Amino acid sequence: GAGVSQSPSNKVTEKGKDVELRCDPISGHTALYWYRQSLGQGLEFLIYFQGNSAPDKSGLPSDRFSAERTGGSVSTLTIQRTQQEDSAVYLCASSRDSLREQYFGPGTRLTVT
Amino acid sequence: GENVEQHPSTLSVQEGDSAVIKCTYSDSASNYFPWYKQELGKGPQLIIDIRSNVGEKKDQRIAVTLNKTAKHFSLHITETQPEDSAVYFCAARNQAGTALIFGKGTTLSVSS
Repeated sequence: GAGVSQSPSNKVTEKGKDVELRCDPISGHTALYWYRQSLGQGLEFLIYFQGNSAPDKSGLPSDRFSAERTGGSVSTLTIQRTQQEDSAVYLCASSRDSLREQYFGPGTRLTVT
Repeated sequence: GENVEQHPSTLSVQEGDSAVIKCTYSDSASNYFPWYKQELGKGPQLIIDIRSNVGEKKDQRIAVTLNKTAKHFSLHITETQPEDSAVYFCAARNQAGTALIFGKGTTLSVSS
């Protein structure tokens, strides 16, 4: 079946602009995660959604970052007033539930100029 | 919170040799440890995982071992092939069960 998809694959934006990144999880997966991967670094957890429960936002680096998940499926990650240090690959993952394996999408490469 | 250390950061082997990557974790409550392979320009791909109720798991040329007492786990790749060249990440699930905490990765190069 289809894997996790993300769009856009690449995004270049000017400093100070807002951006929205989209994630379509695997159908039937109730858990959804966002991670950030800076150049040459490991993955850094940002936010977790599980069904209708309150999301775990403990990894969001600042209040410029927010995310929502509508209808328990598609998720968008929004970064307001982008800064150069926000440049990274943003990865989305989904799993059948929080105890199961996480499957990653291809990521969105964000470049802030 | 959980912290995962991974080494080496780079590893070069000849085709056919074995490769071993090691990770340590800090939270004794962690109970799930996956390994991911990431090729250039792609998202991480799950290659094998282990849960804390077992000490070893194998899948063809890949094996993972877990030592709960010492809080470390290792990835073993035997009979390496050039297509095994990639960045490998270990991870541990955090105590809340809401996220994976990743090591910083190992760049494996297999030369023919």
